Amino acid sequence: EPEVTQTPSHQVTQMGQEVILRCVPISNHLYFYWYRQILGQKVEFLVSFYNNEISEKSEIFDDQFSVERPDGSNFTLKIRSTKLEDSAMYFCASATSGSVNEQFFGPGTRLTVL
Amino acid sequence: AQKVTQAQTEISVVEKEDVTLDCVYETRDTTYYLFWYKQPPSGELVFLIRRNSFDEQNEISGRYSWNFQKSTSSFNFTITASQVVDSAVYFCALSARFGNEKLTFGTGTRLTIIP
Repeated sequence: EPEVTQTPSHQVTQMGQEVILRCVPISNHLYFYWYRQILGQKVEFLVSFYNNEISEKSEIFDDQFSVERPDGSNFTLKIRSTKLEDSAMYFCASATSGSVNEQFFGPGTRLTVL
Repeated sequence: AQKVTQAQTEISVVEKEDVTLDCVYETRDTTYYLFWYKQPPSGELVFLIRRNSFDEQNEISGRYSWNFQKSTSSFNFTITASQVVDSAVYFCALSARFGNEKLTFGTGTRLTIIP
């Protein structure tokens, strides 16, 4: 069964460093998402992406964040200068087109900022 | 604005008991989707069910059942004859009327099944 994959599973970085989280969505999906879950808290929407552009972004998704689909298969989230409060689990999700809206989630990348 | 409330932060039940997880939502949309996801200790999000706002039929899948009541804006989830493997955090979520909109999650209910 096709699935969303994410790498790395765990990333440790120093405050102020740039990180890139990678996702490979399901191959025929057209909608892509990033969500964040701070430890012990709820899952929060960051950004959605369709047709090579951002569809919607949340207040969390400030200028430090960017997304890209560089090669038609990967979907990346970049954090330019990480802060301690960026420590969280980051989930990528993808969905097909249409009104069904079943988002398939990847296993997540745990980001730890020291 | 959309909001999902899961008032039960933590629930513990003894194995084989039935347990109901509550979910109350707020939305201005007349068409929307409701979801339940399971997050086991390993951390991934496992899709359980999607329901659209026009379909108020209750659904049963094995030991799981869902009760959608538009009149009270609730979408409750019942596990019958609970098992230790049901121990997880369960999230209720809501998305807006159009397809492929973002999901708004509740704060989750941590369910512990005691053997």
